[in-house]
Amino acid sequence: DIQMTQSPSSLSASVGDRVTITCRASQSITSYLNWYQQKPGKAPKLLIYAAFNLQSGVPSRFSGSGSGTDFTLTIRSLQPEDFASYYCQQSHSTPYTFGQGTKLEIK
Amino acid sequence: QVQLVQSETEMKKPGASVRVSCKASGYTFTDYYMHWVRQAPGQGLEWMGRINPNSGGTDSAQKFQGRVTMTRDTSISTAYMELSRLRSDDTAVYYCARDHGSHDAFDMWGQGTMVTVSS
Repeated sequence: DIQMTQSPSSLSASVGDRVTITCRASQSITSYLNWYQQKPGKAPKLLIYAAFNLQSGVPSRFSGSGSGTDFTLTIRSLQPEDFASYYCQQSHSTPYTFGQGTKLEIK
Repeated sequence: QVQLVQSETEMKKPGASVRVSCKASGYTFTDYYMHWVRQAPGQGLEWMGRINPNSGGTDSAQKFQGRVTMTRDTSISTAYMELSRLRSDDTAVYYCARDHGSHDAFDMWGQGTMVTVSS
């Protein structure tokens, strides 16, 4: 199975900050990397697919980059509604696997 | 609009089985794979498997093979996930999620079904 490692596991930031979350795959997944946001008690929401493609309706302050084994999710100018947990997911090969998550908290 | 509506909360005893349903609306059910993902309390996301609603073909994580059965009823645009021989560590929220069709991202999720396994 492909292991996905996210860092950091938690992060404190302020409204207006720029934050970056990283995700590393245990082997090359080319661009088969997706990012999700999850708020407490809610289902995950797709933000970015195929490493850098913004899902319809997602604000442009979210962006993704990377290929191969190393990927990043960047949130430019944090808004109050962005404080949530974020997960990366590889869809290169089954079993599809997720990172352990990054909890983004208000400083 | 595209919507996935799941069945209600379940409480089961160890050794029992549970079946979760996921009714799709707002799109052609047979055009997109459906995945099942679970999340134990306070934990991360775990992919269980997927079904091709058109053919009925399935693919599941080895961890669940022999215990998970995914089916669908195209006449009512509903996917099902049955998990047997339940254990306490199967306590989780179970989600269905539609495949985006590009790079197997999950673009639409059900609201989740809480399954509690306890004696």
